Amino acid sequence: TQLLEQSPQFLSIQEGENLTVYCNSSSVFSSLQWYRQEPGEGPVLLVTVVTGGEVKKLKRLTFQFGDARKDSSLHITAAQPGDTGLYLCADITTGANNLFFGTGTRLTVIP
Amino acid sequence: EAQVTQNPRYLITVTGKKLTVTCSQNMNHEYMSWYRQDPGLGLRQIYYSMNVEVTDKGDVPEGYKVSRKEKRNFPLILESPSPNQTSLYFCASRGGGSPLHFGNGTRLTVT
Repeated sequence: TQLLEQSPQFLSIQEGENLTVYCNSSSVFSSLQWYRQEPGEGPVLLVTVVTGGEVKKLKRLTFQFGDARKDSSLHITAAQPGDTGLYLCADITTGANNLFFGTGTRLTVIP
Repeated sequence: EAQVTQNPRYLITVTGKKLTVTCSQNMNHEYMSWYRQDPGLGLRQIYYSMNVEVTDKGDVPEGYKVSRKEKRNFPLILESPSPNQTSLYFCASRGGGSPLHFGNGTRLTVT
């Protein structure tokens, strides 16, 4: 059974600080997706990474996929209160009938 | 507006009283899925459907039923709810290479 571990579980920082959250798998990812979930809403896709070593940027968010495709990181530069939410990584299983989610990192950015 | 609509948003019920949570999508997506989200466990798939009249079990199907009589609707049925089914439930849909679209969730409490 695949294990997807995200760290840290909780993170509280001041506005303007930088942060990195991590997603590690016990097995090789097929493809990896990052989602953000805000209170009272469903998760929303941020990015999909497919190739080992891949780096994608989305404004102040930088996503990196490990060379061995067993880990990924999300770095946020100059965090803002609007970045507050639950960040989830997910592996797309073979056949794409399911997304296997990590337990998430709950980020709070204090104004 | 493209969306996945779940109803109700909040539901409190008693053990053994049958209930249905509805899910409807207006994007003509073929794939639909139900997840439950619990603290420390992340999002886990309950059932999914690849198309009309085609449904299959996810990771935690026990105690749940689904049906897919029409493309747009995918109701989740709890024939005899129990307290361990207290959770936050999400419906999601996907089609034509699009990302997974989630509804805004149904918070169910079974006493």
